[in-house]
Amino acid sequence: AAGVIQSPRHLIKEKRETATLKCYPIPRHDTVYWYQQGPGQDPQFLISFYEKMQSDKGSIPDRFSAQQFSDYHSELNMSSLELGDSALYFCASSLRTSGEYQETQYFGPGTRLLVL
Amino acid sequence: AQTVTQSQPEMSVQEAETVTLSCTYDTSESDYYLFWYKQPPSRQMILVIRQEAYKQQNATENRFSVNFQKAAKSFSLKISDSQLGDAAMYFCASSNEKLTFGTGTRLTIIP
Repeated sequence: AAGVIQSPRHLIKEKRETATLKCYPIPRHDTVYWYQQGPGQDPQFLISFYEKMQSDKGSIPDRFSAQQFSDYHSELNMSSLELGDSALYFCASSLRTSGEYQETQYFGPGTRLLVL
Repeated sequence: AQTVTQSQPEMSVQEAETVTLSCTYDTSESDYYLFWYKQPPSRQMILVIRQEAYKQQNATENRFSVNFQKAAKSFSLKISDSQLGDAAMYFCASSNEKLTFGTGTRLTIIP
């Protein structure tokens, strides 16, 4: 079965540079979530989109922005990168049936970002 | 707001034995879901099992089962017949749309 695809899988950037992470959800899934997992930590929710509209927002820095496109893929844009942004960034997708109840979130393999 | 607590940072179990991982949560939501995710050294997040809060029956998936105590806000994971491939970090999570994770329990399987 098709899974969530994330690209790139690894990314190395310098401080103050920008980065764009891409996520392709499971076909027919309409909801995308972004999570950040620092070393030795649990994943923290950043932001989510349902039917191309921002659905919820968590602890996402103002330097980060995201959107979901008409084909349901999503991009997380990160500017003015800091050393503390080094982490594993997960995208997850789900199918929100009836617009109310959330189905299970399936995670992509993650993008490992290293900021030097 | 939701909070999830996993009080066991590390657990170990002999191969083929049974182990139970603990999780408690707190939420003000009436409709929510509970999950256990497994994160092996590859760091992929793999769904183990899910429980709908409105269902009283405990979820089971092959060797994995949960003990869901809604009144106590407890959601423990039992792994039967432990296998070497079960070694991983296990995260408990609650959800009403976004997932809120616990701090994880690192499970070691002793051959």
